[in-house]
Amino acid sequence: NAGVTQTPKFQVLKTGQSMTLQCAQDMNHNSMYWYRQDPGMGLRLIYYSASEGTTDKGEVPNGYNVSRLNKREFSLRLESAAPSQTSVYFCASTLGLAGGSPSTDTQYFGPGTRLTVL
Amino acid sequence: KNQVEQSPQSLIILEGKNCTLQCNYTVSPFSNLRWYKQDTGRGPVSLTIMTFSENTKSNGRYTATLDADTKQSSLHITASQLSDSASYICVVRSGTYKYIFGTGTRLKVLA
Repeated sequence: NAGVTQTPKFQVLKTGQSMTLQCAQDMNHNSMYWYRQDPGMGLRLIYYSASEGTTDKGEVPNGYNVSRLNKREFSLRLESAAPSQTSVYFCASTLGLAGGSPSTDTQYFGPGTRLTVL
Repeated sequence: KNQVEQSPQSLIILEGKNCTLQCNYTVSPFSNLRWYKQDTGRGPVSLTIMTFSENTKSNGRYTATLDADTKQSSLHITASQLSDSASYICVVRSGTYKYIFGTGTRLKVLA
């Protein structure tokens, strides 16, 4: 099992450029999440997908879009990158069973994508 | 406002010593509390999970405590090893898909 994989690992963009961050999990999890991690701040939720076919905004969704392509894949798109979007982006997944035990909501994280916008 | 605060921000200890990291939270509703370990350049990995009714939980050399009345948790690391050098993040789950993350404590273990 690879767990949660993310591509690319590093990316440098110029202001205004667009890109898509890819995330895939092979644990048959229902829920997937995109976070950003900035120095001195806790991880902040950008978007999440409770199940295949659904997506919802998190705490900091502005400037981002997501697609839950299928149960395995959840992508994050920056349409017009800005320097404020320089960050490390993490994808996570949970089994996400409604009414499940606490262990079913353990988040498994990918290795992260380090994005710099110049 | 839901908040998770951790202290200290950073800590340096000698290999073999013990240490305790603190987490205070003001989160409602409260579902559970987790401690994650994040190695440099990697994603966080879950260490322990504690529900409202649990006071103490151990995972090897890691022992987490939870006082739901005072809304405080601690992570105690026994006989530290160089591989314990990492950031330790306290996370409170509030609602089905809402996780409130602390800013972490950066621990460095010196030989």
